[in-house]
Amino acid sequence: LAKTTQPISMDSYEGQEVNITCSHNNIATNDYITWYQQFPSQGPRFIIQGYKTKVTNEVASLFIPADRKSSTLSLPRVSLSDTAVYYCLVGDGRYNNNDMRFGAGTRLTVKP
Amino acid sequence: DAGVTQSPTHLIKTRGQQVTLRCSPISGHKSVSWYQQVLGQGPQFIFQYYEKEERGRGNFPDRFSARQFPNYSSELNVNALLLGDSALYLCASSLTWDFSTDTQYFGPGTRLTVL
Repeated sequence: LAKTTQPISMDSYEGQEVNITCSHNNIATNDYITWYQQFPSQGPRFIIQGYKTKVTNEVASLFIPADRKSSTLSLPRVSLSDTAVYYCLVGDGRYNNNDMRFGAGTRLTVKP
Repeated sequence: DAGVTQSPTHLIKTRGQQVTLRCSPISGHKSVSWYQQVLGQGPQFIFQYYEKEERGRGNFPDRFSARQFPNYSSELNVNALLLGDSALYLCASSLTWDFSTDTQYFGPGTRLTVL
């Protein structure tokens, strides 16, 4: 059962790049890494997913080192609207989605 | 396409009562999952249904039950409500059962308050 550890909170300013790191020391060979964003009183929203190296989409990048024991979500040039809670999930849903658990997340506050 | 819809938006019940929450997945999605989110915590997995069969169950008591209908909509039932059941209940749908490679799309949730 891969457990994740993230910082509880982070502060940033508009226009800066934000990097949120998630530790998952017990990640298994078939586990994928997925990040979600959640605004208050809304359901989580998928941001990005990866298995190894680097993944980039229109909103974020995900960096995964060779040992895969951690991953870093990178948000370029954040704005006030990026203020939210960010969750890192690790698991292999082919066999047991119970393992794909949300932790407490990282509360990102973007200041003007 | 419409997103995941949930009803009702808010609900107030008293201890001991029963509640039914409803979820309609995105058209074409066959998997529906339910989560409980207590204030200040991340969502906790309750159930997953795929093709009308239970595929996963989290660590919740038997007071929690769910089902999925032929049109892939789903209901979550909670019996004998406790104060600790007060939470935001989230429904998520996906094309397949595999969370690790498939995207889950979450609804806005139902806010349940137990008095």
